[in-house]
Amino acid sequence: EVQLVESGGGLVQPGGSLRLSCAASGFTFSRYAIHWVRQAPGKGLEYVSAISSDGRNTFYANSVKGRFTLSRDDSKNTLYLQMGSLRTEDLAVYYCAREAGGSKPWYFDLWGRGTLVTVSS
Amino acid sequence: DIQMTQSPATLSASVGDRVTISCRASQSISSWLAWYQQKPGKAPKLLIYKASSLENGVPSRFSGSGSGTEFTLTIASLQPDDFATYYCQQHDSFPETFGQGTKVEIK
Repeated sequence: EVQLVESGGGLVQPGGSLRLSCAASGFTFSRYAIHWVRQAPGKGLEYVSAISSDGRNTFYANSVKGRFTLSRDDSKNTLYLQMGSLRTEDLAVYYCAREAGGSKPWYFDLWGRGTLVTVSS
Repeated sequence: DIQMTQSPATLSASVGDRVTISCRASQSISSWLAWYQQKPGKAPKLLIYKASSLENGVPSRFSGSGSGTEFTLTIASLQPDDFATYYCQQHDSFPETFGQGTKVEIK
């Protein structure tokens, strides 16, 4: 089955760290750029970070730049989002999503179910 | 970043109704617009990309139109499974940006 599965979410105190994973199956993971998109409770969708298919290029929203680090291990078909200096405003469900490809490819044809990150003291 | 604005925020409709949702971009994005459907507790599902291209497996009652800064998602005859929140998203430039969503609820 073609799917993405996120894990690693949980409760963390402000200032703490967490590592999210996104495991891919059913397709050639190394061919695709992957994004993280988050959704705060009752709110809309927000771009967080992205990594190119070859892993050489990573991108971050200004709100997380310097605090989050994205990497991928194609041998394990897995993406990692290392989150540090977490703030209460980082509270959200975090989704990984696959770029659809082609020209202007920044839309997403495959999403994981999401993992909830709660930042609270 | 390009700002995306949807209207209305909430829409009340009945099964069988024709429904339209609008999306406006803060600058021209040509036809680089996607639409997603999201149900509570679920991930977004791609419906349409490049303004009017229907994703594989999406029912033909869904259609998209528009170009430049004004776009529309139309559901020709609303079905019970269509009650959900819909998001537009520009894919003209990186990073992608989303509208705030339109909730389609039962009238």
